[in-house]
Amino acid sequence: EDKVVQSPLSLVVHEGDTVTLNCSYEVTNFRSLLWYKQEKKAPTFLFMLTSSGIEKKSGRLSSILDKKELFSILNITATQTGDSAVYLCAVSYGGSQGNLIFGKGTKLSVKP
Amino acid sequence: NAGVTQTPKFQVLKTGQSMTLQCAQDMNHNSMYWYRQDPGMGLRLIYYSASEGTTDKGEVPNGYNVSRLNKREFSLRLESAAPSQTSVYFCASSSVPRGNQPQHFGDGTRLSIL
Repeated sequence: EDKVVQSPLSLVVHEGDTVTLNCSYEVTNFRSLLWYKQEKKAPTFLFMLTSSGIEKKSGRLSSILDKKELFSILNITATQTGDSAVYLCAVSYGGSQGNLIFGKGTKLSVKP
Repeated sequence: NAGVTQTPKFQVLKTGQSMTLQCAQDMNHNSMYWYRQDPGMGLRLIYYSASEGTTDKGEVPNGYNVSRLNKREFSLRLESAAPSQTSVYFCASSSVPRGNQPQHFGDGTRLSIL
């Protein structure tokens, strides 16, 4: 069965801490892995990863993919209260149009 | 800079009532999607439209129908609402199908069925 598993499911940290969120997957014909941030409403796109070992970076956020071990991590350094959100991992896989499945998300709470 | 617009934002229905959720995108995207999000379940795909004129079932299509009215609009219909359909519904769009490009999401419709 194709699946995407995120860990931890929830996490509480203090401002300034560094966090690492995990996403592992088991799919047939992997195409890409995507990270989204969801605050109160719409998920917003963060990164799309297709190749192993190439870090994507945006400000204090970075992500990397390991296609051999079938996982990705999302790092957030010097966390701020505005980073509090649910972080969703999604994996695209399969045939010509592909399929996309989402993990259940990691809820990050950053305390002042 | 609207992106993906969903209406309504909130709705309460009684069991057995029907309802259509509306979605429109202004990004000239070819593909559109309907998801539901339930606590502890993540986002699950209900239906999608890879391009204008086509629709396909997703992971949880039972109890729903869709219409791709034109390139901009993709509606989701509940013919006879059931309490199990209480959820937050998200519409999304992308330039090409499924995960080949990032999907852009609307703000969601919170639907409660009593």
